Amino acid sequence: DTGVSQDPRHKITKRGQNVTFRCDPISEHNRLYWYRQTLGQGPEFLTYFQNEAQLEKSRLLSDRFSAERPKGSFSTLEIQRTEQGDSAMYLCASSLGVMAGGHEQFFGPGTRLTVL
Amino acid sequence: GQNIDQPTEMTATEGAIVQINCTYQTSGFNGLFWYQQHAGEAPTFLSYNVLDGLEEKGRFSSFLSRSKGYSYLLLKELQMKDSASYLCAVHHTGTASKLTFGTGTRLQVTL
Repeated sequence: DTGVSQDPRHKITKRGQNVTFRCDPISEHNRLYWYRQTLGQGPEFLTYFQNEAQLEKSRLLSDRFSAERPKGSFSTLEIQRTEQGDSAMYLCASSLGVMAGGHEQFFGPGTRLTVL
Repeated sequence: GQNIDQPTEMTATEGAIVQINCTYQTSGFNGLFWYQQHAGEAPTFLSYNVLDGLEEKGRFSSFLSRSKGYSYLLLKELQMKDSASYLCAVHHTGTASKLTFGTGTRLQVTL
């Protein structure tokens, strides 16, 4: 257990439905990341928050995806009008930040999304 | 563009030594991470190299050559529990300090 939690752990949904995932990072970590991982691949960067500010988004993050971190603590990732290609493991990670000497990103257990 | 290469699969015997290589071509290189990932679980941190050379941590060591765009993870005295995927990840400079992962090397440790 790294201290990063995600909810739910598994989500099965029908194509076209909206889904929302939650990530609770390690409490003192100001940096939060979302990644997506498909079978047999490494995680792919989706987006990054420093405190409550979303500072970087990948081209992978289409306009159906939105992420928030309203108070600089937990974060949510919403996927609207899900497609079968969205089926993947969605991983959240947090870190202290470079200035604090914390390069390591601690990963949560992930939310496995299956779109039928 | 960015390119990170590592072997897809490797097999080794319990008690042996195995070296997993990773080559990369990227811009904005800050350092290189190795993560271990068991099936269905989150990646867990193994090592981080910024400077050239070998970093040893118990049974695991990691090496980096920045000029050659090359790293390896060395696992000694292999145990069955070491069967997992090993992910090489480039740590980028810039605001996000994001990671770009390779596809991972699936290591199978046999008796």
